[in-house]
Amino acid sequence: ETGVTQTPRHLVMGMTNKKSLKCEQHLGHNAMYWYKQSAKKPLELMFVYSLEERVENNSVPSRFSPECPNSSHLFLHLHTLQPEDSALYLCASSQETGRNYGYTFGSGTRLTVV
Amino acid sequence: ILNVEQSPQSLHVQEGDSTNFTCSFPSSNFYALHWYRWETAKSPEALFVMTLNGDEKKKGRISATLNTKEGYSYLYIKGSQPEDSATYLCAFMANQGGKLIFGQGTELSVKP
Repeated sequence: ETGVTQTPRHLVMGMTNKKSLKCEQHLGHNAMYWYKQSAKKPLELMFVYSLEERVENNSVPSRFSPECPNSSHLFLHLHTLQPEDSALYLCASSQETGRNYGYTFGSGTRLTVV
Repeated sequence: ILNVEQSPQSLHVQEGDSTNFTCSFPSSNFYALHWYRWETAKSPEALFVMTLNGDEKKKGRISATLNTKEGYSYLYIKGSQPEDSATYLCAFMANQGGKLIFGQGTELSVKP
């Protein structure tokens, strides 16, 4: 365990379903991130939260909706996804945004949209 | 558009070999360069965060160098072991407060 926990590890959902991914850290970090990794592509930043406030939305479609109720928890709400949204979704945290602190990653949620 | 390139894409070496790979990034507006190791079915793990031109960092048999003026970083592994098999990611941050942009990784396989 790295200190960042993601659930579920695997998720299969239909295009009309609504589901949520959960990320939790108790490292005392102030910044949390959602990244997406599609096959054979680099990690792609989706959202950045700093002290529960969204500071970056990297042109992500509205069918992905993040929520950060407190500095320890981050959610990614999913609705009406497309098959091309199938990917590995990684959560990460760091002491602060934009400084020279390393990121701590979770193990990811492998999402399959059918 | 900020582009981070890693080479080679994959590398197969024998146990005991030393190896190195490259991360290239834009040389302007540099703030930080990160290296991560990502083993299959695990989380990416931070190896180094480098900020100064000429910086060298070391962690056991793994070391890294940084040249911000020409926009590259090298990662070296001395005496590779099978447990070093992983994908090694570098990530570039252009300025304080900027986004961390990842390369596509170098996949290392070390055969016993």
